[in-house]
Amino acid sequence: KAGVTQTPRYLIKTRGQQVTLSCSPISGHRSVSWYQQTPGQGLQFLFEYFSETQRNKGNFPGRFSGRQFSNSRSEMNVSTLELGDSALYLCASSFGGGTTEAFFGQGTRLTVV
Amino acid sequence: QKEVEQNSGPLSVPEGAIASLNCTYSDRVSQSFFWYRQYSGKSPELIMSIYSNGDKEDGRFTAQLNKASQYVSLLIRDSQPSDSATYLCAVNVQGGGADGLTFGKGTHLIIQP
Repeated sequence: KAGVTQTPRYLIKTRGQQVTLSCSPISGHRSVSWYQQTPGQGLQFLFEYFSETQRNKGNFPGRFSGRQFSNSRSEMNVSTLELGDSALYLCASSFGGGTTEAFFGQGTRLTVV
Repeated sequence: QKEVEQNSGPLSVPEGAIASLNCTYSDRVSQSFFWYRQYSGKSPELIMSIYSNGDKEDGRFTAQLNKASQYVSLLIRDSQPSDSATYLCAVNVQGGGADGLTFGKGTHLIIQP
C-alpha cells in the first residue's frame, strides 16, 4: 500500500515568488492536513481538507492557501514568499473523523532566498 | 490558546532501560492523543495513538493517558540505540469531527549504548 507522496522534495525560491506543493494521500483517505515545521516553532497546523472542503485553518496569513481535488489529492500555495517561509512542509492523510490516525509524507523542504 | 507542552531534553537513557516521555495539554475537550517519532532529517512517524484513560501497550511501547490531569506519557521498554530520536506528542483539538493536530515541540531522546 503506497504511503503519502509529496512533491517536490526540495524547492528553492526567491522572495516575492509563489510556490505550489502537492500531496497525494494514502488510498482511501479523504482528509489531508498541512503542517509547517521550523526549528524555532516546531510543527504548526496550517489547514485541513476533507472532501474538497477546508474544515479547519491554523493561525497563518492569507498568503497560505490550499485546495483538495475530487481524488483527495491536495495542493497548498504560498504567495509572495518571505524568508521566514523557509521550512519543511508536511502533509498528513487520514480517513477523517477527528479521531483517526494521521500519516505523514516525506515533506517538501522549501528554501526562500 | 491550545497548547501541548513537552520537555525538550535531551533525555539520556542507558540501553536496556525504560525511557519515560511526558506531555501535558491545555484543552480539556481534546479527545485524541498521538505519539510520533521523528529521526533527524525525516518526517514524523506515528507510533502510538490513545483515546481513553489508562494504558495502551504495543510491543515495547506503552502510552498512558490521564484526562483529569491533562497528561499523556510514552514509555519505551528495553530502550535501543535505534530509539534515539525526537518524540512528538500530538493532540487533536479541532473538535466537530475534524482532523488537525496540535504538536508539542518534542523531546529529544538519546539512548546510550
